[in-house]
Amino acid sequence: GAVVSQHPSRVICKSGTSVKIECRSLDFQATTMFWYRQFPKQSLMLMATSNEGSKATYEQGVEKDKFLINHASLTLSTLTVTSAHPEDSSFYICSASGSGGTEAFFGQGTRLTVV
Amino acid sequence: GENVEQHPSTLSVQEGDSAVIKCTYSDSASNYFPWYKQELGKRPQLIIDIRSNVGEKKDQRIAVTLNKTAKHFSLHITETQPEDSAVYFCAATSNSGYALNFGKGTSLLVTP
Repeated sequence: GAVVSQHPSRVICKSGTSVKIECRSLDFQATTMFWYRQFPKQSLMLMATSNEGSKATYEQGVEKDKFLINHASLTLSTLTVTSAHPEDSSFYICSASGSGGTEAFFGQGTRLTVV
Repeated sequence: GENVEQHPSTLSVQEGDSAVIKCTYSDSASNYFPWYKQELGKRPQLIIDIRSNVGEKKDQRIAVTLNKTAKHFSLHITETQPEDSAVYFCAATSNSGYALNFGKGTSLLVTP
């Protein structure tokens, strides 16, 4: 299958700082990227959908000013957690799909810990 | 929006037995139903998927069935092995893209 690379895999930051997570499609053009959040022993919850060159669509209850998503190219999307707080600590996973109805491929995830 | 319910939340079977996980969905427009296996701290891995124009799909020891009328789909794993132990998630989505709505997951334990 296609390769989606997510970086960093782990990050620890201080409360109040911002953290940027990158999601790259390495061998295909990702017209759409999705960001999910997964708390321990829970399911993946869709946070937002982003299409290249346009604003992201956020799911209900997700603060767009706190979770900034940029999808400036067909191979890169970034999620910035602004003014992070301990309750933002979670596993963040991106997925990417190409045009033509391909399946979505997941990145390896980022474990964010806010102290 | 789509609501996906998954049962059971935990499942323990003996090696060699079969395991069945069931999901229901609410949005009749959903037409793509993947199943993912996730090991602790790792990304979900697609193990099998089915589209709404098919009632059943099989890949070696894994099969998925879909009942569009009842809006439910199931994962069947036969001849289970200890390495099948993981959390399994069902998901559903419509043609609007691959923004997946996940079930809550089933923690499968296969004991030798």
